[in-house]
Amino acid sequence: DVKVTQSSRYLVKRTGEKVFLECVQDMDHENMFWYRQDPGLGLRLIYFSYDVKMKEKGDIPEGYSVSREKKERFSLILESASTNQTSMYLCASSFVSGFDTGELFFGEGSRLTVL
Amino acid sequence: DAKTTQPTSMDCAEGRAANLPCNHSTISGNEYVYWYRQIHSQGPQYIIHGLKNNETNEMASLIITEDRKSSTLILPHATLRDTAVYYCTSSLFHDKIIFGKGTRLHILP
Repeated sequence: DVKVTQSSRYLVKRTGEKVFLECVQDMDHENMFWYRQDPGLGLRLIYFSYDVKMKEKGDIPEGYSVSREKKERFSLILESASTNQTSMYLCASSFVSGFDTGELFFGEGSRLTVL
Repeated sequence: DAKTTQPTSMDCAEGRAANLPCNHSTISGNEYVYWYRQIHSQGPQYIIHGLKNNETNEMASLIITEDRKSSTLILPHATLRDTAVYYCTSSLFHDKIIFGKGTRLHILP
């Protein structure tokens, strides 16, 4: 089975801190994604990556950056955390076949609270 | 902005078929339609996907209109465990995948 592992289930950080959220997948997937989920807003795409060292902005990239130095790992970075970044963060990966992006496999999520 | 639009919520009686619609009138000819569902705060789980033809698996059926402007996810015999938020997405190759707000399905006993 595909496994997508997010490093922390729960984090509490203070405003202004630098925050790293790590995501690792074990199935050699090309695509990796970071979403955030807030009540009433559904899942919103922050960044995605389709290859090592490649990154593309999603719909809400402001205040975030990402890093993909290895194919299996996709990190989300909050350079200076703010209270409005309190949210559930979900990582996902997929295997591309032809035009088909492939089904997304999600991690269990990281619930971040910024005080 | 999402390429797909869905009703905010729907109700279905237990044991009946749940038919969840999705509008995707702007997707390109090579974009696949995917359906996921999310229960509570767990990550979304894949249900089914298709390109042009109707598809069926052990969980659901997917009906895609001939013009590909819309689709319907069918849960043939809904149970209380099918209460969840259902998302319809479209995707292509290495493009971004936008989820939108989905449809909250309530299964009524």
